[in-house]
Amino acid sequence: DAGVTQSPTHLIKTRGQQVTLRCSPKSGHDTVSWYQQALGQGPQFIFQYYEEEERQRGNFPDRFSGHQFPNYSSELNVNALLLGDSALYLCASSLVQGTEQYFGPGTRLTVT
Amino acid sequence: AQRVTQPEKLLSVFKGAPVELKCNYSYSGSPELFWYVQYSRQRLQLLLRHISRESIKGFTADLNKGETSFHLKKPFAQEEDSAMYYCALSGPGGSYIPTFGRGTSLIVHP
Repeated sequence: DAGVTQSPTHLIKTRGQQVTLRCSPKSGHDTVSWYQQALGQGPQFIFQYYEEEERQRGNFPDRFSGHQFPNYSSELNVNALLLGDSALYLCASSLVQGTEQYFGPGTRLTVT
Repeated sequence: AQRVTQPEKLLSVFKGAPVELKCNYSYSGSPELFWYVQYSRQRLQLLLRHISRESIKGFTADLNKGETSFHLKKPFAQEEDSAMYYCALSGPGGSYIPTFGRGTSLIVHP
C-alpha cells in the first residue's frame, strides 16, 4: 500500500487561473480531508468528503470546491487563484469520522 | 472558536536533555487532542493521541482539562527526535473540524 498519494507534486499557476489537485486515499479508507498549509503555519482544514458529499467545511471561500469519486479518490478545485493561495495542499484519509488521519506528501502550489 | 496554541516556534536541546513541547487549546466541549510529527523530507504522521494514553518513541502527553493543555514530553531527547511537531484538536464523533497549531521545530544537538 503506497498510502495516500497526491498529484501533482508541484504546480505553478497565474493569478486568476483555476487549478485541480488530486488525491488517492490509503487502501480501505473512505474519507478524505483537504488542508492548506502556508509557510510557517500548521495545516488549515478546508473540507472533508465522505460518500461523495462534503461533510465538514472550514473557513474557506466558495472558490475552493471539491469532489469525491466512487473509488474514494478526491479532487480539490480552486478558482480565480490569488497570490495568497500559494501554499502546500495536503490530503489526508481516514475511516468515516475516525480521528486518525493519514497524510499525503502534499502538492506545492505557487501562484504568480 | 476552537484554537490550538503552540507558543514556541523553535525548541533547541542537547541529546539526553528532557524535552517539553507546549500546547494549549480552547474548545467548548470535550475535545480529542493529538500530536503529529513531521521528520525531514517525510510526510506528516500521527505521533500520539490523548485517548490512547500510550507512550510512542518515549514521548508522552497528558491532557490537563483544567489548564487546557496537552504538552508533549520526553525525559531524554535523541537526535532522531529532531522534527516539526504539531498539536491538533478535533471534536468527538460528528463535530469533526480538525484544528492544528502552527508547529514547534525541535532540534536535538549531539
